[in-house]
Amino acid sequence: NAGVTQTPKFQVLKTGQSMTLQCAQDMNHNSMYWYRQDPGMGLRLIYYSASEGTTDKGEVPNGYNVSRLNKREFSLRLESAAPSQTSVYFCASNAPEDKNIQYFGAGTRLSVL
Amino acid sequence: LAKTTQPISMDSYEGQEVNITCSHNNIATNDYITWYQQFPSQGPRFIIQGYKTKVTNEVASLFIPADRKSSTLSLPRVSLSDTAVYYCLVAVSGGYNKLIFGAGTRLAVHP
Repeated sequence: NAGVTQTPKFQVLKTGQSMTLQCAQDMNHNSMYWYRQDPGMGLRLIYYSASEGTTDKGEVPNGYNVSRLNKREFSLRLESAAPSQTSVYFCASNAPEDKNIQYFGAGTRLSVL
Repeated sequence: LAKTTQPISMDSYEGQEVNITCSHNNIATNDYITWYQQFPSQGPRFIIQGYKTKVTNEVASLFIPADRKSSTLSLPRVSLSDTAVYYCLVAVSGGYNKLIFGAGTRLAVHP
């Protein structure tokens, strides 16, 4: 049982480059989330998808776009990377009956130079 | 979403019981209290959740007083592997949830 899988694990970009972070879950969960975590801080919600076909902005959506490709996959795109987007990105999912219980991937460590 | 306050850091020694208290004075009637654990270079992991009184599982216990304005996560007999950041969250149950993670409590367990 893989749970939530994120790719890649590490990435280095130059300012202005674009990339897509991939996330897939095999738990048949409806809701999926993207967070970022900066050093010494808690997680901040970027975007979320309550169900397949819907996406909504979280706390810090600027500079990002998302796609809920199907029920399993939720991708995060940086169109023009900036040094301020250097962070660790986590994808998570949860089932409707789970009261605030989210399952997280291992994270993608992104550096923008 | 209710704001939570917890200590920034705590130190303990192997074999001791650790209690981390979280304040959530503005908790709403429908909010649940949930704790997560995060090891370095990993995503947060759910530990325990409760609504009122006491909840216990194989990892920890959660104590919630009657007024629900605070909660205490209790880790019995900690080991070095319990060194992690612990987050307290409160949010309405069910469906999709925009959880708010604060800075958490950084627990260091020493030999």
